[in-house]
Amino acid sequence: DTGVSQDPRHKITKRGQNVTFRCDPISEHNRLYWYRQTLGQGPEFLTYFQNEAQLEKSRLLSDRFSAERPKGSFSTLEIQRTEQGDSAMYLCASSPLGGSTDTQYFGPGTRLTVL
Amino acid sequence: AQSVAQPEDQVNVAEGNPLTVKCTYSVSGNPYLFWYVQYPNRGLQFLLKYITGDNLVKGSYGFEAEFNKSQTSFHLKKPSALVSDSALYFCAPEGSWGKLQFGAGTQVVVTP
Repeated sequence: DTGVSQDPRHKITKRGQNVTFRCDPISEHNRLYWYRQTLGQGPEFLTYFQNEAQLEKSRLLSDRFSAERPKGSFSTLEIQRTEQGDSAMYLCASSPLGGSTDTQYFGPGTRLTVL
Repeated sequence: AQSVAQPEDQVNVAEGNPLTVKCTYSVSGNPYLFWYVQYPNRGLQFLLKYITGDNLVKGSYGFEAEFNKSQTSFHLKKPSALVSDSALYFCAPEGSWGKLQFGAGTQVVVTP
């Protein structure tokens, strides 16, 4: 079990550019979550996938943000026309579906800096 | 609406002394409750969770948490703190679809 992986670990971009992050969940985990964590705050929920279906999106996820999980495996989070306020740590987590075993396991995160 | 409060931004404790990190929540129903820990430049690590049953839950690294339904609290405890326990701790009730609602976090500083 290799855990949840995220790529890249760090991304520096200029305002207005597009960025894409990737998350590889633990194998056979049906649920996948994206969170955003800004300095001094706890993570905030962005979106949730059950297999390939995106079942919930936070209002934090403006129309500049899009997430996909093709084939129910890895997921990507894209931010278009980045703004300085998008600078944050983007965390991905996965969990098995259902039951009391639904602990979420987090990846190391992608730290985005928008200049 | 759901909310979670960690009233202390920072907790300072001497090594070997007991450690308590407080958490209160306001959610509907009987939510699952989680504690996670975050070390510098690392992802969140699961410590323990309350699902149902015994109000005292034991978790990783010697941590435990006490669920109190009447006070809607879920305080994290460790009988004897270590310097290596210095980290950022988050309480998180679980909402719809399993999403976690994290508190602002409590920085624990354990001094030798």
